Amino acid sequence: SQTIHQWPATLVQPVGSPLSLECTVEGTSNPNLYWYRQAAGRGLQLLFYSVGIGQISSEVPQNLSASRPQDRQFILSSKKLLLSDSGFYLCARSPAGAGELFFGEGSRLTVL
Amino acid sequence: AQSVTQLGSHVSVSEGALVLLRCNYSSSVPPYLFWYVQYPNQGLQLLLKYTTGATLVKGINGFEAEFKKSETSFHLTKPSAHMSDAAEYFCAVMDGGATNKLIFGTGTLLAVQP
Repeated sequence: SQTIHQWPATLVQPVGSPLSLECTVEGTSNPNLYWYRQAAGRGLQLLFYSVGIGQISSEVPQNLSASRPQDRQFILSSKKLLLSDSGFYLCARSPAGAGELFFGEGSRLTVL
Repeated sequence: AQSVTQLGSHVSVSEGALVLLRCNYSSSVPPYLFWYVQYPNQGLQLLLKYTTGATLVKGINGFEAEFKKSETSFHLTKPSAHMSDAAEYFCAVMDGGATNKLIFGTGTLLAVQP
């Protein structure tokens, strides 16, 4: 099995509060990992990707950060949420080298 | 830089009719192309992909797509729509290099009318 676990599945947070979304993958070593955000009517935007432990690349300057403390763990964080951070966050993985992306079930964040 | 354009954010077809979802890409290297489907509040599921070889690619659920280099297109088709096909569909192109980043289009929401 090459499952991707994301939690929490749903989250409602006030503006200014911190955020931590976690993604854990099973069944594969040294995967490339990705965080995408999906906002209404805007498709999928790549936020961060990682090719290894501690290696994070940011695609879009913003209020969020990512970390990869273990080979199969990818965390999306914020110190202070903004209204514009609301959206559906998807974690994905691919094997090192060419290959398609496999997605988790997503975490829906609503910032009020 | 690679990019994808999906024409038509909403497409509506009758059950049993042909489904055609359009995708055009821009790529400076031979492209790897993908179609994904997303059902409400779920992640994305791979429908099909083109990497090399045969330009007509068959995927799951009766969908297929044809890579046309001269037209820089990768349109998704299905001969006969089913109610269960109602979902959002995303076309994507893989960025070059070892990162395997996918660049997605803005999606097409397919509605199937009875």
